[in-house]
Amino acid sequence: GAGVSQSPSNKVTEKGKDVELRCDPISGHTALYWYRQSLGQGLEFLIYFQGNSAPDKSGLPSDRFSAERTGGSVSTLTIQRTQQEDSAVYLCASSRPQGISYNSPLHFGNGTRLTVT
Amino acid sequence: AQSVSQHNHHVILSEAASLELGCNYSYGGTVNLFWYVQYPGQHLQLLLKYFSGDPLVKGIKGFEAEFIKSKFSFNLRKPSVQWSDTAEYFCAVRANSGYSTLTFGKGTMLLVSP
Repeated sequence: GAGVSQSPSNKVTEKGKDVELRCDPISGHTALYWYRQSLGQGLEFLIYFQGNSAPDKSGLPSDRFSAERTGGSVSTLTIQRTQQEDSAVYLCASSRPQGISYNSPLHFGNGTRLTVT
Repeated sequence: AQSVSQHNHHVILSEAASLELGCNYSYGGTVNLFWYVQYPGQHLQLLLKYFSGDPLVKGIKGFEAEFIKSKFSFNLRKPSVQWSDTAEYFCAVRANSGYSTLTFGKGTMLLVSP
């Protein structure tokens, strides 16, 4: 079946511009995560959506970063006034519901490689 | 909040050598533990996971990991590596609560020379 789809796969933007990154999770997956992967930093958690609950935004590095998830499916990560340090691969992952008695692994997309010049 | 520490950033091995990648986590409660792998040019995928029960878990491609609660560790092992195991390996932990994020370590890049 279809996996997690992210677009664009690559994005080059000028410093100061806004960018939007899109994630289409696997159908039926109510949990959705955004991570950032950069050299030497591993996978940095950004934000987590779980069903209709308020998202966990604790990983967003600054108020230039925001994300929303419309209709419990597609998610958009927006970075305003991009800076060079925002350059990284932005990964989206989805899974079935997470909870105390039920867990499922994350399924990752191929990521969006963002380069801020 | 939980955190994960992977001991080695880079590991270089020859084929047939044994592998052990260290992973320690910090969290006072019950956790779920994972190892993910990212092969060159591919997306992250699950290698193995521990939720409960037998602390020795087996994953795909001959990998296994042992959860040692007293040491807060979940080390990844493979008796004999192959060139195709060249990849980046990430340990991850999630608190076993109703609403908890998955926290990853910084990853270990494994290079297996033929």
